[in-house]
Amino acid sequence: GENVEQHPSTLSVQEGDSAVIKCTYSDSASNYFPWYKQELGKRPQLIIDIRSNVGEKKDQRIAVTLNKTAKHFSLHITETQPEDSAVYFCAAGGRYGNKLVFGAGTILRVKS
Amino acid sequence: DAGVIQSPRHEVTEMGQEVTLRCKPISGHNSLFWYRQTMMRGLELLIYFNNNVPIDDSGMPEDRFSAKMPNASFSTLKIQPSEPRDSAVYFCASIPDGPNTEAFFGQGTRLTVV
Repeated sequence: GENVEQHPSTLSVQEGDSAVIKCTYSDSASNYFPWYKQELGKRPQLIIDIRSNVGEKKDQRIAVTLNKTAKHFSLHITETQPEDSAVYFCAAGGRYGNKLVFGAGTILRVKS
Repeated sequence: DAGVIQSPRHEVTEMGQEVTLRCKPISGHNSLFWYRQTMMRGLELLIYFNNNVPIDDSGMPEDRFSAKMPNASFSTLKIQPSEPRDSAVYFCASIPDGPNTEAFFGQGTRLTVV
């Protein structure tokens, strides 16, 4: 089955700096790669996603890149702000309908 | 729609007791997932239903865990007997039909087994 690895497990950045979180997946048939943000005590919520027919997608300060050949994808947050502090999860899916397999998560701390 | 609804929000139980977690997916969503979240293992997929049928239960840790979806608007996750290592936050998520669509999570149930 699909296996998703996510790095780093924790990341601290200074406010205004960029943050990058990387994920790799094992199933070459996966074609959907969403990213979820989970604030303390709350549920995970989708922030951005990318499908395998594109290599990059951007939404204001966040962007995702996908390298299907290498089976890895990344989340980039620019001009980080304290409210970006949260746990971020990557996921992969598509082979088996809507099944999503998540990475272990990255705790992002933005220091002001 | 009120979103995915889980109950209870918090559950504290003694080791050996039966625990039942409940989930009401968003109306019209065809897929339902149960995930377990811990600091050590992140978000683990336990079981996945499509049109009320269990499709993949390979993530269910042991026979002590069972899940049912008797109809499109209700699912349960049962642990019997419960153990302290089952302590975690359990999330239910639902997805509408069609490929590559957003998963909507419930608020989660924080389970503590003492």
